[in-house]
Amino acid sequence: KAGVTQTPRYLIKTRGQQVTLSCSPISGHRSVSWYQQTPGQGLQFLFEYFSETQRNKGNFPGRFSGRQFSNSRSEMNVSTLELGDSALYLCASSLELTGNTIYFGEGSWLTVV
Amino acid sequence: SQQGEEDPQALSIQEGENATMNCSYKTSINNLQWYRQNSGRGLVHLILIRSNEREKHSGRLRVTLDTSKKSSSLLITASRAADTASYFCAANRDDKIIFGKGTRLHILP
Repeated sequence: KAGVTQTPRYLIKTRGQQVTLSCSPISGHRSVSWYQQTPGQGLQFLFEYFSETQRNKGNFPGRFSGRQFSNSRSEMNVSTLELGDSALYLCASSLELTGNTIYFGEGSWLTVV
Repeated sequence: SQQGEEDPQALSIQEGENATMNCSYKTSINNLQWYRQNSGRGLVHLILIRSNEREKHSGRLRVTLDTSKKSSSLLITASRAADTASYFCAANRDDKIIFGKGTRLHILP
């Protein structure tokens, strides 16, 4: 069974640009959550989607958004990139709403210059 | 604010020794999970302990949970070089999982 797949793995963007990251969950998993990981702040919850609906949201500005498609694949978008958005963005999936084991992808490394 | 807080932040031990990491959390929980992350990679689930459980084992891992003290510990016995990684606790309450900042474990040869 394939794991959680995130694309792209690495990318470099310029301040002010926008970026879209993609996540394909494990087959059969309906919940997808996103996390931002930085050395200073650790692992911070961005949002969670279940059946195409955002169910939980972390404390991030509106520049961070996401969506989930009918096949459970998810995308997150960051607009008007800032240097501080440089981070590892991790996607995780689970069978149902978060509460049990979540399975992480390898992450997307975003560098903003 | 972080739901889980790991202690210590960093730990270096000799190969073969046992490693103990602690996690404290702030509110009541449904379950607590431990994850491992190798440098720059995704997190790997290690073990889940429910709020009505006190101890759980998985191979060389032993997790305890003390809900009265709102704390958990992860013990790795007979450590190996491959155990070098960051370890995170994640407290789950009401369908929200909040991660701590992790303990960086380094196994010395």
